[in-house]
Amino acid sequence: AQSVTQLDSQVPVFEEAPVELRCNYSSSVSVYLFWYVQYPNQGLQLLLKYLSGSTLVKGINGFEAEFNKSQTSFHLRKPSVHISDTAEYFCAVSDIAAGNKLTFGGGTRVLVKP
Amino acid sequence: NAGVTQTPKFRILKIGQSMTLQCTQDMNHNYMYWYRQDPGMGLKLIYYSVGAGITDKGEVPNGYNVSRSTTEDFPLRLELAAPSQTSVYFCASRSLVGGVGTEAFFGQGTRLTVV
Repeated sequence: AQSVTQLDSQVPVFEEAPVELRCNYSSSVSVYLFWYVQYPNQGLQLLLKYLSGSTLVKGINGFEAEFNKSQTSFHLRKPSVHISDTAEYFCAVSDIAAGNKLTFGGGTRVLVKP
Repeated sequence: NAGVTQTPKFRILKIGQSMTLQCTQDMNHNYMYWYRQDPGMGLKLIYYSVGAGITDKGEVPNGYNVSRSTTEDFPLRLELAAPSQTSVYFCASRSLVGGVGTEAFFGQGTRLTVV
């Protein structure tokens, strides 16, 4: 069964500092990976996705993620965060072998401090 | 283009009552999902559907039922509500392109409290 582990439940970070959110997955060979952001009292919005091709994926709002097949990881990074990046971030995996179910990690809450 | 629409946005139920959470999408997506979100627990899959007439259980289906009579609609039914079903519920939809699942689009959520 596919699963997703987000290693940090909370990440405090100062404004303009870099941030990395870690995501590891367990699944079969063909996986599709996503990062979503959830602002308070809102639904989930796609940040970026990896379907195939280049392992470095760029998304919205200056975020990027790197797919590492050997380490089964898909870590999210931003070189310089803003106060507005305060939100919860979710990593998700989808696998054809699992019927294209979309499985989410437990989330990482990012708090950007001035 | 409305995307994924959920109703109601908020609801308070008494223990033992039942209700239906509505979800409709206008993107002609095959796949639809229901998740519940509890604090610190991420999103847990309740039920999903790969097309009209086809549904399957997710991780936490007990106490819920679904139907998919049309491509657009995927209602979630709660029978005999219990306090453990207090949560925020999200509906999502996505399509397949060449067999590859694209990103999911989410509704704004339904905040349900069972008292």
